[in-house]
Amino acid sequence: AQKVTQAQTEISVVEKEDVTLDCVYETRDTTYYLFWYKQPPSGELVFLIRRNSFDEQNEISGRYSWNFQKSTSSFNFTITASQVVDSAVYFCALSEAARAGGTSYGKLTFGQGTILTVHP
Amino acid sequence: DGGITQSPKYLFRKEGQNVTLSCEQNLNHDAMYWYRQDPGQGLRLIYYSQIVNDFQKGDIAEGYSVSREKKESFPLTVTSAQKNPTAFYLCASTLRGFQPQHFGDGTRLSIL
Repeated sequence: AQKVTQAQTEISVVEKEDVTLDCVYETRDTTYYLFWYKQPPSGELVFLIRRNSFDEQNEISGRYSWNFQKSTSSFNFTITASQVVDSAVYFCALSEAARAGGTSYGKLTFGQGTILTVHP
Repeated sequence: DGGITQSPKYLFRKEGQNVTLSCEQNLNHDAMYWYRQDPGQGLRLIYYSQIVNDFQKGDIAEGYSVSREKKESFPLTVTSAQKNPTAFYLCASTLRGFQPQHFGDGTRLSIL
């Protein structure tokens, strides 16, 4: 069975601090995708990044960066110079494996989420 | 603008009543999903559908039912058999598996 663990339930930082959100996953599949989503107070989930299991390159997008390490089954998310607008719940998610033929229903297993509060 | 529309935003259910949550998408996506979110927990999959007239149970399907008569619509009915329906319900869609899912704004369901 697949599992995603976000051990940090809540994180509180002051603006301009860097913050890292941890994500550890479990799967027996060799091909899978990992995602990060942001849930602002409005409620809808906003897609941030997708990473496939064969691509361990770190990624940077503005103040956001992601560190994927298969050896430790981790996909951590860092926000540099945090801002108040970064306050939200952040979810890490793992896709199901591809079925025969390479197709997938796209079922996701979500972590419990990390509530990030950035104070001015 | 393309997107997913969920309605209503807030819904109240009386004991023994069935209620239906609406989810409509104009993204021309094949797959649609319903999730339940409880405080302090991640999203849990209720039902999903990849094509019209076909859907599968997710991890917590008991007490819920769905239909997929049109590609753009995937309504969720919370039946009286669901004894703890108070939660935030999110609908999502994607073009195909492994693509990022797009989410609606959610419906918050409470018991009267």
